[in-house]
Amino acid sequence: GENVEQHPSTLSVQEGDSAVIKCTYSDSASNYFPWYKQELGKRPQLIIDIRSNVGEKKDQRIAVTLNKTAKHFSLHITETQPEDSAVYFCAASYFIYFNFGNEKLTFGTGTRLTIIP
Amino acid sequence: GAVVSQHPSRVICKSGTSVKIECRSLDFQATTMFWYRQFPKQSLMLMATSNEGSKATYEQGVEKDKFLINHASLTLSTLTVTSAHPEDSSFYICSGLRPQNTEAFFGQGTRLTVV
Repeated sequence: GENVEQHPSTLSVQEGDSAVIKCTYSDSASNYFPWYKQELGKRPQLIIDIRSNVGEKKDQRIAVTLNKTAKHFSLHITETQPEDSAVYFCAASYFIYFNFGNEKLTFGTGTRLTIIP
Repeated sequence: GAVVSQHPSRVICKSGTSVKIECRSLDFQATTMFWYRQFPKQSLMLMATSNEGSKATYEQGVEKDKFLINHASLTLSTLTVTSAHPEDSSFYICSGLRPQNTEAFFGQGTRLTVV
């Protein structure tokens, strides 16, 4: 099955600086890579995702890059703010559209991001 | 975004009893629901994947007779922890998959404490 590794496990960044979290996956068939943000005591929320047919996706201060050959993908947060402090999880999955029953989200171990004011 | 409602949010039960956790997709049909377990300061560990109308697929090391999963409709999946023991105490969270865009939406989670 799929195995997702995530680094670092903790990350402290000065407010305004950038943060980068990296993940690797093992199953070359995986084609969908979401990132989730989990604030303390709350459920994980999807913040950005990327599919295997693109190499980069950006949404305001958040961007994700994917290297299919190396089987790794990264989350980049620029101009960090205190509200970015949370635990971030990457995940990998393989979806076949309209052939439900084979989906499975495998999560990385999480990164606790702390933004220092 | 879509809404997944999970109940109860917190439950305390005695050893040996069973606890049922419900996960409902309120405004979409979840063809697939995932059940995760989360230990303090750790990642979401997938326990099982359930598809409506079929048996759940359990991850290695997860006892299917202990963690009974039922996905009777496109909007409801339940996890029953049978004969609970203190080591079953954990945070359980479900996620429903919206097939149109493959996005998964999480329930609020259930903190189970077995005493």
